[in-house]
Amino acid sequence: KAGVTQTPRYLIKTRGQQVTLSCSPISGHRSVSWYQQTPGQGLQFLFEYFSETQRNKGNFPGRFSGRQFSNSRSEMNVSTLELGDSALYLCASSLEQVRGYGYTFGSGTRLTVV
Amino acid sequence: GEDVEQSLFLSVREGDSSVINCTYTDSSSTYLYWYKQEPGAGLQLLTYIFSNMDMKQDQRLTVLLNKKDKHLSLRIADTQTGDSAIYFCALGGSSASKIIFGSGTRLSIRP
Repeated sequence: KAGVTQTPRYLIKTRGQQVTLSCSPISGHRSVSWYQQTPGQGLQFLFEYFSETQRNKGNFPGRFSGRQFSNSRSEMNVSTLELGDSALYLCASSLEQVRGYGYTFGSGTRLTVV
Repeated sequence: GEDVEQSLFLSVREGDSSVINCTYTDSSSTYLYWYKQEPGAGLQLLTYIFSNMDMKQDQRLTVLLNKKDKHLSLRIADTQTGDSAIYFCALGGSSASKIIFGSGTRLSIRP
């Protein structure tokens, strides 16, 4: 069974640009969460989607947004990129009904802003 | 807000047991997880424990939960070079919502 797929794996953008990252969850998983990982701040929750609805949002500026499609695939968008947005962005999916099994993470998209 | 703390580094000799510790502030979490992150990779769920359990064993892994002291630990028996990674303690609630992660413990193995 395929895991969580994130594309692209690596991305280099210029300050001020915008970027869209994609996440395909495990088949059958309807919950998708996004996290930002940086050396200084560690893993920080961005948002969570379930059945195309945002259920939780972390403490990030409005430049960070996301959405989920009817096939559970999710995208996150960062507009007006800043140098501090350089990070590993991780997506995780889970089965709503089996919460105890936790989340399955993708390998991440490493974004570098120059 | 909830705080999850881990020591940053741990070095053990190959073949010895590794014990990675985690303390937390909020005792309302229902699920407590241990994740492993290898270089350049995402997070791999190693094991989890429900908050009403004290211990869980899974092959070389033993998780101990002390609810009174709000302390969670992961013991890896017979540590191998392949166990070199960053280990994250994480807490989750009763709904499929955000997980709070610790800062991670980098485990290094010496020969």
